[in-house]
Amino acid sequence: AQSVSQHNHHVILSEAASLELGCNYSYGGTVNLFWYVQYPGQHLQLLLKYFSGDPLVKGIKGFEAEFIKSKFSFNLRKPSVQWSDTAEYFCAVNPNNAGNMLTFGGGTRLMVKP
Amino acid sequence: NAGVTQTPKFQVLKTGQSMTLQCAQDMNHEYMSWYRQDPGMGLRLIHYSVGAGITDQGEVPNGYNVSRSTTEDFPLRLLSAAPSQTSVYFCASSYEGVKSYEQYFGPGTRLTVT
Repeated sequence: AQSVSQHNHHVILSEAASLELGCNYSYGGTVNLFWYVQYPGQHLQLLLKYFSGDPLVKGIKGFEAEFIKSKFSFNLRKPSVQWSDTAEYFCAVNPNNAGNMLTFGGGTRLMVKP
Repeated sequence: NAGVTQTPKFQVLKTGQSMTLQCAQDMNHEYMSWYRQDPGMGLRLIHYSVGAGITDQGEVPNGYNVSRSTTEDFPLRLLSAAPSQTSVYFCASSYEGVKSYEQYFGPGTRLTVT
């Protein structure tokens, strides 16, 4: 079955550490890729998205993600995390032939220690 | 612009009871969808709609009904609640076309079925 995998379920970092969250998907065709963030008690917000073009995309709050087609990956990165980045992060995939439907990964809970 | 609104925020039901979760958006989005969020499983699509009068099933539709009589509203009905439906429910909406796939999420409804 087609799926989205986030292998890190929980990540704990100290402030100023670098962050990389993995996301792999199993769709064979063209896809649109997203990272959403859910801060404690809040609803999901879009961090960044990839539709086409430059595979390195920059989002809000200093986040970026790199699409590597050969690895079916879309990893999220941030050079220096802050306490306010504590949240749950979701990778989502939309196959080009699937309308607006999103398939989400299981999420990664990030805790940043001050 | 209120975005996507959901009511109620919290609900407790007894097994076998029915209820409707409300979702409304004021952005004139064609596409609306319902997801449930369970720990470690990310968000799973329940039902979606590409416009008024058109609905379709997602990944986990059993036990839920939807209708779309207007562009703005997309209620989700639980026909006979079961403990397995304890979850957080999110409604989302988006445009079709060039900016499609960027989905805007509501604040969620936390449902407990006892």
